[in-house]
Amino acid sequence: QVQLVQSGAEVKKPGASVKVSCKVSGYTLTELSMHWVRQAPGKGLEWMGGFDPEDGETIYAQKFQGRVTMTEDTSTDTAYMELSSLRSEDTAVYYCATEAFDYWGQGTLVTVSS
Amino acid sequence: QSALTQPASVSGSPGQSITISCTGTSSDVGSYNLVSWYQQHPGKAPKLMIYEVSKRPSGVSNRFSGSKSGNTASLTISGLQAEDEADYYCCSYAGSRVFGGGTKLTVL
Repeated sequence: QVQLVQSGAEVKKPGASVKVSCKVSGYTLTELSMHWVRQAPGKGLEWMGGFDPEDGETIYAQKFQGRVTMTEDTSTDTAYMELSSLRSEDTAVYYCATEAFDYWGQGTLVTVSS
Repeated sequence: QSALTQPASVSGSPGQSITISCTGTSSDVGSYNLVSWYQQHPGKAPKLMIYEVSKRPSGVSNRFSGSKSGNTASLTISGLQAEDEADYYCCSYAGSRVFGGGTKLTVL
């Protein structure tokens, strides 16, 4: 059984960066392809990007290209999502999820406020 | 890539059936049998209910079913129960992913 445990809530100022972690257990990170999805307060789900095993590359939603970086540390089975140049509209719950979106982390609230 | 189109809300009485539509284009929903559906209760992470248009993961009730015609996928919930009240999202996943805007299901 896959379990995804994310890092805790963050409060950031506009212009700063945030890095959210997602620790995998039950499987190794190399067996999974991790994706990231966010949800602004009262809004719907928004896909940010993830690893495409067919191409062997991480693909990003066009909206976030240049501002988001998704990385992995296979030694600790931890995936990371870093979002830079934060603005108030980035306030959201950020989720990690496996490729088939069949397993999800518990979510990490990122609040961007001056 | 534009979000898939879902109705903002649907409702039904216990025991009834409801259907939620999800309309995309020939480039996403219409091109591949790679449409999934998610149920989300307030404050919780989404839960996979249907994948590859009509397949149910282990543990998901057979009251949930999916189908597709052309550029529109559909989720049907039969025998509505109070616990089905939630937000539902469709997703097209061929390489990049795109979600629908979500549908709030109210069980009257």
